[in-house]
Amino acid sequence: SQKIEQNSEALNIQEGKTATLTCNYTNYSPAYLQWYRQDPGRGPVFLLLIRENEKEKRKERLKVTFDTTLKQSLFHITASQPADSATYLCALGQGGKLIFGQGTELSVKP
Amino acid sequence: DAGITQSPRHKVTETGTPVTLRCHQTENHRYMYWYRQDPGHGLRLIHYSYGVKDTDKGEVSDGYSVSRSKTEDFLLTLESATSSQTSVYFCAISDQGEYTEAFFGQGTRLTVV
Repeated sequence: SQKIEQNSEALNIQEGKTATLTCNYTNYSPAYLQWYRQDPGRGPVFLLLIRENEKEKRKERLKVTFDTTLKQSLFHITASQPADSATYLCALGQGGKLIFGQGTELSVKP
Repeated sequence: DAGITQSPRHKVTETGTPVTLRCHQTENHRYMYWYRQDPGHGLRLIHYSYGVKDTDKGEVSDGYSVSRSKTEDFLLTLESATSSQTSVYFCAISDQGEYTEAFFGQGTRLTVV
């Protein structure tokens, strides 16, 4: 069956460290993969999109990698801040559908 | 902020009654999506639309129907609401489906009693 799996446990890190979140997928062959941030009581907000031929993409303190052989994307936040605390979701597409993982909750402590 | 509005924002309804949620966009995006979000399940796709009168099922479509008679409006109907449909519902829009970013509405909190 098709699955998108993210770290189910919350990730707790210290301010200033790098947070790394994982998104694994099975039985999909996405050409694009996306990452979103969601704060409590709000809708998800788009962060980054990466194409299968890009391998890595950066935006300010954010970095995403996409390994189609491993069927995995890694999302990094460098120099993390308490304001980065939120739930992060990966999403991939298939035939027009946009399917999300269950999200990983990140908590950055001062 | 992208022009996407969900209505109502909150609703309490009784089991067995029909309920319609509305998603309205002013961006002229081709794709529109309805998701539900429940603790432990993340965002699950209910139905989506890739154009006027073009819709398809998502992961959890049983008990739901949709209609899109205009580009700007995507309606989600619970034909006979059940307690298992108590959830937060999100609408999203995208210009080119999975190839471009999606913009989400504020969400509708639906309680079925």
